[in-house]
Amino acid sequence: KAGVTQTPRYLIKTRGQQVTLSCSPISGHRSVSWYQQTPGQGLQFLFEYFSETQRNKGNFPGRFSGRQFSNSRSEMNVSTLELGDSALYLCASSPGGTTDTQYFGPGTRLTVL
Amino acid sequence: AQSVTQPDIHITVSEGASLELRCNYSYGATPYLFWYVQSPGQGLQLLLKYFSGDTLVQGIKGFEAEFKRSQSSFNLRKPSVHWSDAAEYFCAVGLFSGGYQKVTFGTGTKLQVIP
Repeated sequence: KAGVTQTPRYLIKTRGQQVTLSCSPISGHRSVSWYQQTPGQGLQFLFEYFSETQRNKGNFPGRFSGRQFSNSRSEMNVSTLELGDSALYLCASSPGGTTDTQYFGPGTRLTVL
Repeated sequence: AQSVTQPDIHITVSEGASLELRCNYSYGATPYLFWYVQSPGQGLQLLLKYFSGDTLVQGIKGFEAEFKRSQSSFNLRKPSVHWSDAAEYFCAVGLFSGGYQKVTFGTGTKLQVIP
């Protein structure tokens, strides 16, 4: 099976712009979670989608949003970018059961100038 | 709220030496515990996980971890480190409630391996 894929791998934006990141889960996986990784804050949970519904959310401002499509692919959007949004954004997929393991993609490196 | 502490930010070991990475958690019930490894420029790879049962868990790449409830710890060990083990290691605790899981990660330990 192919692993979790994320596009693009690298992205450079300027303050005030918006950005959309994409994640394709492992085939058959219905849950997609998003994490932000920064040197200062480490790995922080953004949100999780399961069967096109957000079922869990971390403590991020409303500028961070996401969605999931019927094929389980997910996108996350960040509007009005700030310098502090520069980070590695990781996506993880799992079948969606309570004890299922999350499998991570390689991440999208976002740089905000 | 659950939390995970990895007290060692950076560890250096010689190739062939043994390794122990520390992890302490704070959670009211028996947690679900994980160790992940991240190589530079890569995503996270699961090394091992503990849900219940035998408190000594075997993982991939020769790693093992032991769950000690009395110490709220889940330390990762490897008897003989290889140069390719140089990476960042993350301990995580999972809360499973209402049919979904929320995983909280520690801040990570960077492992340097010297010849």
